[in-house]
Amino acid sequence: DGGITQSPKYLFRKEGQNVTLSCEQNLNHDAMYWYRQDPGQGLRLIYYSQIVNDFQKGDIAEGYSVSREKKESFPLTVTSAQKNPTAFYLCASSRKGDTEAFFGQGTRLTVV
Amino acid sequence: AQSVTQLGSHVSVSEGALVLLRCNYSSSVPPYLFWYVQYPNQGLQLLLKYTSAATLVKGINGFEAEFKKSETSFHLTKPSAHMSDAAEYFCAVIITGANSKLTFGKGITLSVRP
Repeated sequence: DGGITQSPKYLFRKEGQNVTLSCEQNLNHDAMYWYRQDPGQGLRLIYYSQIVNDFQKGDIAEGYSVSREKKESFPLTVTSAQKNPTAFYLCASSRKGDTEAFFGQGTRLTVV
Repeated sequence: AQSVTQLGSHVSVSEGALVLLRCNYSSSVPPYLFWYVQYPNQGLQLLLKYTSAATLVKGINGFEAEFKKSETSFHLTKPSAHMSDAAEYFCAVIITGANSKLTFGKGITLSVRP
């Protein structure tokens, strides 16, 4: 079945450690997105990519990094510079020219 | 830049009552608009979308929304609420083109009372 896979579903890390969240899609979509969700704040865009080897900062990119070496993969690294990394992270993808976005099931990151 | 505003963070209705969730958008050019639903600890599922065709859009689970340019609104309605409709609902907007990005509102939690 086609879809977006985020792994792991739950992730625990110690403060000061970098952590990478995985996002893979087999929908042949060109565009991919990372959002952060906190209670009462909706979804805030971290990074997005419209094409391989290119990506743009979203509204809250500080403390995060991404890569887009393959069309189907868009991993997100939460660095130690992110001051409040505990959150629910959602990955999405969409076809170029077709704006409907499909979402993964999310990764809940807890930093202790 | 585009944006959406969802007034209020929580709506509570009785089972069988009308559901109305409000969304207003801001955009300098004609936008595409979406409503998504999210159940606890899950990703988002598309309910319906407006992409400049018919202004009244029908979606899944009996939901519909009407695009009103004069009011810059895209409110979500359902004639009769069901217990299974309890979830969080997000309105989103996108302007197509180079570096287009999908922007979400803060979301509204819908509770359904028996």
